[in-house]
Amino acid sequence: DAEITQSPRHKITETGRQVTLACHQTWNHNNMFWYRQDLGHGLRLIHYSYGVQDTNKGEVSDGYSVSRSNTEDLPLTLESAASSQTSVYFCASTPRVGGEQYFGPGTRLTVT
Amino acid sequence: DQQVKQNSPSLSVQEGRISILNCDYTNSMFDYFLWYKKYPAEGPTFLISISSIKDKNEDGRFTVFLNKSAKHLSLHIVPSQPGDSAVYFCAARISSGSARQLTFGSGTQLTVLP
Repeated sequence: DAEITQSPRHKITETGRQVTLACHQTWNHNNMFWYRQDLGHGLRLIHYSYGVQDTNKGEVSDGYSVSRSNTEDLPLTLESAASSQTSVYFCASTPRVGGEQYFGPGTRLTVT
Repeated sequence: DQQVKQNSPSLSVQEGRISILNCDYTNSMFDYFLWYKKYPAEGPTFLISISSIKDKNEDGRFTVFLNKSAKHLSLHIVPSQPGDSAVYFCAARISSGSARQLTFGSGTQLTVLP
């Protein structure tokens, strides 16, 4: 069955380190998204991509970057992790821009 | 400034009764609305949606109502079951133009008591 996976599921890192969170989907969706979930804020969009080599900034993109070298993967990189980036991160994909999104299981990141 | 607001962080109802989850929005350009359900340690899953050309959409025990003049939507669950206990997010989007991403509310934790 097609799916969307995230790795790692849990990560603890230190302030200032570079961290990359992986997202892989097997639906062949062009559109992929990264969100963070924080109490009181819901899901906030970090970056998104509408296809290979396309990346766009979302609402809370500072300190994060993404790259899209193939259809299946959209890795999220924290260039220099900060304690404010402690959160749960969700990746999502959809075949249609603006359509129903399918979410991965999430990565819980703790920055100490 | 949150464009999609869920003002109740939590809601408890008895099994078998109706659950009503509310969502307000400020951007009049939003024309499509979705509800997602999220269990602990899992990603959100799509539940039901409604276009702004409708005022009601029903799917089994779940019904979403849209009041465009009040910029308000609600999700009704009847009857509520313990398995419905989850966080519910409403989301909205603008269907035209380049900015067609979803904007999510902060979520409401529903607890259905047996």
